[in-house]
Amino acid sequence: RKEVEQDPGPFNVPEGATVAFNCTYSNSASQSFFWYRQDCRKEPKLLMSVYSSGNEDGRFTAQLNRASQYISLLIRDSKLSDSATYLCVVNSDDYKLSFGAGTTVTVRA
Amino acid sequence: GAVVSQHPSWVICKSGTSVKIECRSLDFQATTMFWYRQFPKQSLMLMATSNEGSKATYEQGVEKDKFLINHASLTLSTLTVTSAHPEDSSFYICSARLAGKPQDTQYFGPGTRLTVL
Repeated sequence: RKEVEQDPGPFNVPEGATVAFNCTYSNSASQSFFWYRQDCRKEPKLLMSVYSSGNEDGRFTAQLNRASQYISLLIRDSKLSDSATYLCVVNSDDYKLSFGAGTTVTVRA
Repeated sequence: GAVVSQHPSWVICKSGTSVKIECRSLDFQATTMFWYRQFPKQSLMLMATSNEGSKATYEQGVEKDKFLINHASLTLSTLTVTSAHPEDSSFYICSARLAGKPQDTQYFGPGTRLTVL
């Protein structure tokens, strides 16, 4: 079983729409959770950390459910520039990070 | 701050040759660097953890004699793919951990795209 699993999508949404997706993780001892964004043929870039109480950063809202071991990301008022692959990342062991395969989001005009 | 560079950004080589990829932390000292590999439409897979002045720790299934890692200074780690074959073609990404930050804070380099003919 993969450590981090994500729906690959793609999620095709019009500008201004809300899009949400989840990931699940297998290691119940995981302590840190993140969403990264990866553009085509580029390195991943940190979008936001995910905290137990849930957190918001502008149009992006992340939630963590430790009991069910899933993390969610919601994007409100989608922009064309939000088109990317969103990687769910969990720390698996000490300082090692485990990456999901990503959820592709395409925002159309 | 916390910029990580990689060189080269892309490389094409013939099967059987060796390729060296450099990862540098430009404005900070990195006691630990990580090497990842990403195949198309797949997740980043950690290959090895590189600690300055000591031997790298390889993940299960990664051949240490094929992927040589050297972390000679606090700002430079190198990955050498020896006797490269077409199946080694991939996107190689390094990251560096900044001392004093939470243990899971990693800064990623821009990646190196390797194509083996």
